[in-house]
Amino acid sequence: QVQLVESGGGVVQPGGSLRLSCAASGFTFSSYGMHWVRQAPGKGLEWVAFIRYDGSNKYYADSVKGRFTISRDNSKNTLYLQMNSLRAEDTAVYYCAKDDPGGDYWGQGTLVTVSS
Amino acid sequence: EIVLTQSPATLSLSPGERATLSCRASQSVSSYLAWYQQKPGQAPRLLIYDASNRATGIPARFSGSGSGTDFTLTISSLEPEDFAVYYCQQRSNWPLITFGQGTRLEIK
Repeated sequence: QVQLVESGGGVVQPGGSLRLSCAASGFTFSSYGMHWVRQAPGKGLEWVAFIRYDGSNKYYADSVKGRFTISRDNSKNTLYLQMNSLRAEDTAVYYCAKDDPGGDYWGQGTLVTVSS
Repeated sequence: EIVLTQSPATLSLSPGERATLSCRASQSVSSYLAWYQQKPGQAPRLLIYDASNRATGIPARFSGSGSGTDFTLTISSLEPEDFAVYYCQQRSNWPLITFGQGTRLEIK
């Protein structure tokens, strides 16, 4: 069965950096695009970034463009989100999700807290 | 950016009642609209995709309708486990997907 497991969250100071990982299993990871979606405490869902199956194209929300970088290692079945210049408003649970319109494949999320 | 507006923000109903949730898009999204359910501490769960198709394992009391800019999620007879927050999501502008702000369905 499809499994997505995020890791790497934690507490970081404003201006700091963090790298999130999403380990995928149960499907051919190299055949699917992947998203990062976040949810601030008590707020709604916000799409963050997308990467094509082969890493050839990447897309970002305006709120993170220039600060976050999405990448993947298909040999390791792992998706990444490098987050730099973090701000208080980046505090959220970060989910990775498989790009599959009729499928429901999300990780359990990892919490990032930006605070001094 | 395609903006999705959900209404109402909060819906108070009793088990057994019918729930009708709305989602309006700022421009046409054709039928590329999905509905998710989210409970506290959990990841969102896909209910409906492409406006009217139930995802695998979703009970028949959940149905979706609409196209273009106006969409509806209907829960025909509320069960206790249906009280949660519901989000609509568009993928017309894929991969730049967007979500509505959510409707909280609470027990009256």
